[in-house]
Amino acid sequence: RKEVEQDPGPFNVPEGATVAFNCTYSNSASQSFFWYRQDCRKEPKLLMSVYSSGNEDGRFTAQLNRASQYISLLIRDSKLSDSATYLCVVANTDKLIFGTGTRLQVFP
Amino acid sequence: EPEVTQTPSHQVTQMGQEVILRCVPISNHLYFYWYRQILGQKVEFLVSFYNNEISEKSEIFDDQFSVERPDGSNFTLKIRSTKLEDSAMYFCASLGQGGNEQFFGPGTRLTVL
Repeated sequence: RKEVEQDPGPFNVPEGATVAFNCTYSNSASQSFFWYRQDCRKEPKLLMSVYSSGNEDGRFTAQLNRASQYISLLIRDSKLSDSATYLCVVANTDKLIFGTGTRLQVFP
Repeated sequence: EPEVTQTPSHQVTQMGQEVILRCVPISNHLYFYWYRQILGQKVEFLVSFYNNEISEKSEIFDDQFSVERPDGSNFTLKIRSTKLEDSAMYFCASLGQGGNEQFFGPGTRLTVL
């Protein structure tokens, strides 16, 4: 089983749409959870950390279910600039374990 | 805003040659990392470094790889004898004391011919 598993997509959505990404992880000892964003041929950039209570940052909402080892990211009111690959990332120590990413393409 | 920098942005080398990839982490950060991403694949952890020694390394980080912090600012990754399969984007990252966000540099694209 992969350490971090994501649907690779692509998800093609119109501007203004709501889109949700899911991720599962295999190591129940994982302690930290993140969503990173990666633009084509660029470095990963932190989008948001994910907490058990769920957290929101503007149009982005992240949820963590430790019992199911499941992480989600919801993007509301999609913008063209949201087009990117979204990386689900977990960590036990400070070593980051990345999923393969979910590609999002927002069209006008 | 402080950022991680990496040089060169692109390195082309012949198989069997040694390469050194350079990184300048954010100045007050204490934890340093190398990751790599083969084209079309996921980002993979290579090594973490703290207090002038390796704190963790992956199976990828074999005897051909080494890291060094030769002075107060640079953090380098050396590959002693490059193989074709070492072709990838190599990202350096740094983390501050008490922080949880690793800041990534723009990467060095290594092409081994």
